[in-house]
Amino acid sequence: DVKVTQSSRYLVKRTGEKVFLECVQDMDHENMFWYRQDPGLGLRLIYFSYDVKMKEKGDIPEGYSVSREKKERFSLILESASTNQTSMYLCASSPPGPTGELFFGEGSRLTVL
Amino acid sequence: AQSVTQPDIHITVSEGASLELRCNYSYGATPYLFWYVQSPGQGLQLLLKYFSGDTLVQGIKGFEAEFKRSQSSFNLRKPSVHWSDAAEYFCAVGRGQGAQKLVFGQGTRLTINP
Repeated sequence: DVKVTQSSRYLVKRTGEKVFLECVQDMDHENMFWYRQDPGLGLRLIYFSYDVKMKEKGDIPEGYSVSREKKERFSLILESASTNQTSMYLCASSPPGPTGELFFGEGSRLTVL
Repeated sequence: AQSVTQPDIHITVSEGASLELRCNYSYGATPYLFWYVQSPGQGLQLLLKYFSGDTLVQGIKGFEAEFKRSQSSFNLRKPSVHWSDAAEYFCAVGRGQGAQKLVFGQGTRLTINP
C-alpha cells in the first residue's frame, strides 16, 4: 500500500517562527502536493512538485515555500508563521499520468499563537 | 476558472437509508471528476472517479456517482448507509496536464443516526 507520512501530527508555534512540515512517500511517485484544509473552504492547493527540485505554485502560495531535494520527500516551509496560517496541512502524492488519484497523509494540524 | 460547489455542508441520515450528496462543477472542457472521503483523523481516500465513458461510475464501499453534463453535476449516491460511512466527503475536479491538480469542493459532513 502507498504510504504518505507526515512527520508531525500536531504542532504549536509562535508568530514569527519558522516552521517546517515534512512529508515522505514510499511509492516512488513523481508528483507531490501540499494542501491546506479549513472548515467551509475544503482543500486548497499551496504548492505542487512534479519532480525533484521542480515546483509550481498552487492557488494560495503566499507565505509558504517548498523544498524537494529527494524524490520521496516534500517539505513545506512557513518562513514567518502567522496566526492566519493556523490550519490542517495535508500532503499527497500521485504517480504521473491522468490517474487523478492522490494518496494523502493523515495531516499536520498547525496552531500559530 | 475551475470550481466545485457542494451545496450541503452537513447532512444527517438514518442508518439503512439512502444517500445522495450533491456536487456541481464549473469547467470548460470535459472534466475529470472525483469523490474523496475523509474519516475522522484520517487523510483523504479516493472513492471513485470519472474520466470518460459510462456516466454512472462505481466506487469502493458501495458508492456510485453519476455524471450529468447538462446539469454540470456529479452526485454521489449509496442505496443504504452504514454507521461507518460517517465522514466528510469531498468532490473534486482535475485540471492541468494529466488532471493532476485537483480543485476541491467545500466538503459535506455526513452524520449517521442509529
